Amino acid sequence: GAVVSQHPSWVICKSGTSVKIECRSLDFQATTMFWYRQFPKQSLMLMATSNEGSKATYEQGVEKDKFLINHASLTLSTLTVTSAHPEDSSFYICSARDSGALNTEAFFGQGTRLTVV
Amino acid sequence: AQRVTQPEKLLSVFKGAPVELKCNYSYSGSPELFWYVQYSRQRLQLLLRHISRESIKGFTADLNKGETSFHLKKPFAQEEDSAMYYCALSGGGNTPLVFGKGTRLSVIA
Repeated sequence: GAVVSQHPSWVICKSGTSVKIECRSLDFQATTMFWYRQFPKQSLMLMATSNEGSKATYEQGVEKDKFLINHASLTLSTLTVTSAHPEDSSFYICSARDSGALNTEAFFGQGTRLTVV
Repeated sequence: AQRVTQPEKLLSVFKGAPVELKCNYSYSGSPELFWYVQYSRQRLQLLLRHISRESIKGFTADLNKGETSFHLKKPFAQEEDSAMYYCALSGGGNTPLVFGKGTRLSVIA
C-alpha cells in the first residue's frame, strides 16, 4: 500500500527552540494532509488540516502561530513547533490520502515523538 | 458534533474466545466508519471500513445506523490480534478522521 513517511521519528530539543517535522507521501500525491497529536494512552486529536498551496485549517484551541504548517508541494507537509515548551512534548502523527483516487483509506506516518527539555 | 465513543479501554480475552470491541458514534449526516489497528511499535493501519463490508483477518464490523454503532467482532481471537484498536469516522471525501479513544485488546494464550 501507499506509504507516508515522517522525519524525524524522534527529537529532543531545548525549551525555546523550534522543531520542524516533515511528512511525505512517498508514492502518491496528497492535496490534503492531516496533523494529529497523541498524548500518552490517549487518542489521536486532530490539530490541523494542511492544504497544498493554501493556508492550513486549524482546529479550535490549536495555536496557529505556535504550530506552523506549510504544504508547499503535493508530497510534503511540514509542521514547525515554534518556541517549544515542555508541554508541547507529545507524539505527532500525520496522515494523507491519495488525491488521485476515490474513496481511499487514510495512510499514517510512523509518528514523531517530540521531547522538550 | 462528531464524536466516537469506545467504552472499553482494555479488553482481555482468551485465545479462541469471541471478541467484540464496541464503538458508538454521533454524527449529523451519513458518516464513513472505520476501524484502525496499531500493533506494537507500528504505525496505524486500516483494518476495516464499513463501505467495503469485508472481513479482514477474521474481523467484521456492521454499521447499525439505528443504534449508531459499528462494533468490531471476531469469532475466535488469536494471540496476534493483541493490539490497540481505534474506531474512527469521517464525513467522506477528503475530510479528516475523528478517532475514539481506542481499546487495547489483549489475547491471552
